[in-house]
Amino acid sequence: NAGVTQTPKFRILKIGQSMTLQCTQDMNHNYMYWYRQDPGMGLKLIYYSVGAGITDKGEVPNGYNVSRSTTEDFPLRLELAAPSQTSVYFCASSYWRISGLSQHFGDGTRLSIL
Amino acid sequence: AQSVSQHNHHVILSEAASLELGCNYSYGGTVNLFWYVQYPGQHLQLLLKYFSGDPLVKGIKGFEAEFIKSKFSFNLRKPSVQWSDTAEYFCAVNEIRAAGNKLTFGGGTRVLVKP
Repeated sequence: NAGVTQTPKFRILKIGQSMTLQCTQDMNHNYMYWYRQDPGMGLKLIYYSVGAGITDKGEVPNGYNVSRSTTEDFPLRLELAAPSQTSVYFCASSYWRISGLSQHFGDGTRLSIL
Repeated sequence: AQSVSQHNHHVILSEAASLELGCNYSYGGTVNLFWYVQYPGQHLQLLLKYFSGDPLVKGIKGFEAEFIKSKFSFNLRKPSVQWSDTAEYFCAVNEIRAAGNKLTFGGGTRVLVKP
């Protein structure tokens, strides 16, 4: 049971390039999330998904896209990389329970846009 | 709009000192509350959580938190810190809504424990 797996762990992009951050979970969780973490700013929610085929915007969705074709996978797409997207990205998942939810996090992807 | 406030951005203290980190939120409905810890170079880990029942919640590594509904607060405490508690601590609030829940994190508090 690997939990939440993110790839790659590190990446450097040039301005204007595109890339996909991969996230997969093997816990059969309904909910999946993408966050970015900037120094001193805490976590900001980019997009989330409540199940396969359903996605919704979080606090800071501009410049990103997501898809959720399967329960396991929730890739995050940057179409035109900008320096403002330099950050550490965390994927998380949770299983919805009536009494609440706890998120499991991946190890993060450190992305630099130069 | 919901917000989660962690008033202290940085805390420096010595080993064996007591620690209390503040967390306040603004949503007036039912909430689930969490504290996460991020050790240097590692991913987020759950310290403790409150869903219902006893408002005093005990977590891992000697941490506890108290939910005070009237104050919209969920402060984290540890009576005696160790050097290994050096980390960044995040409070998170999950609003329980019929239309769907969303988790919001506070800005984090960096804790440095001096040996």
